[in-house]
Amino acid sequence: GIQVEQSPPDLILQEGANSTLRCNFSDSVNNLQWFHQNPWGQLINLFYIPSGTKQNGRLSATTVATERYSLLYISSSQTTDSGVYFCAVGDGKLTFGKGITLSVRP
Amino acid sequence: GAVVSQHPSWVICKSGTSVKIECRSLDFQATTMFWYRQFPKQSLMLMATSNEGSKATYEQGVEKDKFLINHASLTLSTLTVTSAHPEDSSFYICSARNLQGYEQFFGPGTRLTVL
Repeated sequence: GIQVEQSPPDLILQEGANSTLRCNFSDSVNNLQWFHQNPWGQLINLFYIPSGTKQNGRLSATTVATERYSLLYISSSQTTDSGVYFCAVGDGKLTFGKGITLSVRP
Repeated sequence: GAVVSQHPSWVICKSGTSVKIECRSLDFQATTMFWYRQFPKQSLMLMATSNEGSKATYEQGVEKDKFLINHASLTLSTLTVTSAHPEDSSFYICSARNLQGYEQFFGPGTRLTVL
């Protein structure tokens, strides 16, 4: 099956700092999604980005499908950005990475 | 748009009882729904793929007789945990894919505790 690796596993930032989260995957796919899991467990859709670049406010993402990686950028981080960020890839079904735990300190 | 609901949001039951969890796509039709399971501090693991009007496809290692899935309509899939035991305690999350593409939309999850 598809292998998904996210890095770094943990990230601690000071409020206002920028960060880059990485997702590597082992096979070509039609679906790549980034999620933020909030403290109640809800998965918040950040981006559906099998290729290309998208931006939404302070967040942006880039997927280079030919090189099988995706990057999630968080600029001017806020304490509310804390939580776990998942990358998930696949075609019909999704395989999730292990997640990146982000802690933003005031 | 693309809202998925789950009911109940949490449930506590005694060992040996069965629990049904509903997953609904509220504003779109979903021929395919997925059921995931997440243990504390871990990632999501796909349990099964639910297709409207046909039998579910289970991932390797998932007991189909224990986790019964029914996808009766284009907006509703149900997961029944039969004869639940404490080791079935977990966070169960469903997702739905609309007819147009590959993007999946996730429900808020159901936290199951089996005493």
